[in-house]
Amino acid sequence: GEDVEQSLFLSVREGDSSVINCTYTDSSSTYLYWYKQEPGAGLQLLTYIFSNMDMKQDQRLTVLLNKKDKHLSLRIADTQTGDSAIYFCAERRGGTASKLTFGTGTRLQVTL
Amino acid sequence: DTAVSQTPKYLVTQMGNDKSIKCEQNLGHDTMYWYKQDSKKFLKIMFSYNNKELIINETVPNRFSPKSPDKAHLNLHINSLELGDSAVYFCASSQGSSGTGRWRLSEAFFGQGTRLTVV
Repeated sequence: GEDVEQSLFLSVREGDSSVINCTYTDSSSTYLYWYKQEPGAGLQLLTYIFSNMDMKQDQRLTVLLNKKDKHLSLRIADTQTGDSAIYFCAERRGGTASKLTFGTGTRLQVTL
Repeated sequence: DTAVSQTPKYLVTQMGNDKSIKCEQNLGHDTMYWYKQDSKKFLKIMFSYNNKELIINETVPNRFSPKSPDKAHLNLHINSLELGDSAVYFCASSQGSSGTGRWRLSEAFFGQGTRLTVV
């Protein structure tokens, strides 16, 4: 099918690490993205990974890609209350009319 | 400076009305999109334009008509609004480039969204 799957909800304590998982569908996807949506706001691009990479690190964010299993994860180190938001993974499929296909979103709640 | 701006931010209207949402980007991008986010936060592409030309048209009722007067603007007009049209509509833009025979798109930048409520 076309669905990009994510777990709906994740709760972590401030200071802990968060891991948000995503299973995508198209093995020919060229780029995979993580977007953050805070309440009432638009989508903010956090990071992305090209399909020929296994890992990408950007400050507190680590993206892991397992192409064989079509599995993508986002790890947030030292999670802060400001990280509370909905996180969307997205895949960009190849072709001349490529588009972003978004996951179902994971709501991250950070507690004190 | 807002990169991708949409107006209005909120829109409440009655069933059967016709309404428009405007989108402008000042990033110099040549590709613009409309996405719909439903009440369960699921995001789905509706349309994409590249240099004012429609390149993606998902299964969207023909009551929805995008219009791109120039590559910096992509407006969305909706006729005969229905209750099920209530959602948040996001505009986005990205830069396409063609090189070595492959067409690539940079990451997409999103507007703040327009919350449409049909009553």
